[in-house]
Amino acid sequence: KQEVTQIPAALSVPEGENLVLNCSFTDSAIYNLQWFRQDPGKGLTSLLLIQSSQREQTSGRLNASLDKSSGRSTLYIAASQPGDSATYLCAALSGNTPLVFGKGTRLSVIA
Amino acid sequence: KAGVTQTPRYLIKTRGQQVTLSCSPISGHRSVSWYQQTPGQGLQFLFEYFSETQRNKGNFPGRFSGRQFSNSRSEMNVSTLELGDSALYLCASSLASRTEAFFGQGTRLTVV
Repeated sequence: KQEVTQIPAALSVPEGENLVLNCSFTDSAIYNLQWFRQDPGKGLTSLLLIQSSQREQTSGRLNASLDKSSGRSTLYIAASQPGDSATYLCAALSGNTPLVFGKGTRLSVIA
Repeated sequence: KAGVTQTPRYLIKTRGQQVTLSCSPISGHRSVSWYQQTPGQGLQFLFEYFSETQRNKGNFPGRFSGRQFSNSRSEMNVSTLELGDSALYLCASSLASRTEAFFGQGTRLTVV
């Protein structure tokens, strides 16, 4: 059974800092891994999708990497801004099961 | 291109009542999944539908049910509401299984 863990649960950084969010999963036989952003009380916004055959994906200031052998993915955010403050969730898709989500990392970027 | 639309956005119901939530997926998407999000449990999977067929069901009681119509729109129903059913209910649509999931804004259900 796939389990996804995100550490830390919360993170506070000053504006302009580069940061890394971590995601680990127990079953390395994944089809893809997806990173989402959630603002308070809102739905999930898809940020990046990494297929199992890929090592990384980039979108603007965001870069996500995937290491299936170690069961890890990281989301790198460059030059953080207050507008990046949100909860970031990762989710793994494997087998015939639906997306399995981590509990998220709540990010605060302080101006 | 319109995103995933969930209606209503907010609902307040009394214990024992039933409720129906609606989800219209992105045009052309045939897969719809439902999730319940609570502060304590995070995101928990409810159902997945593809071309009107339920493909997966999460570990929720039979009070939770769903369906998908021929136009891919989906509804979920919760009967005999309990206080613990208060949550944000999220719908996700995908072009097909195992492709990128796009979520709606959710329906905030409060049971009093």
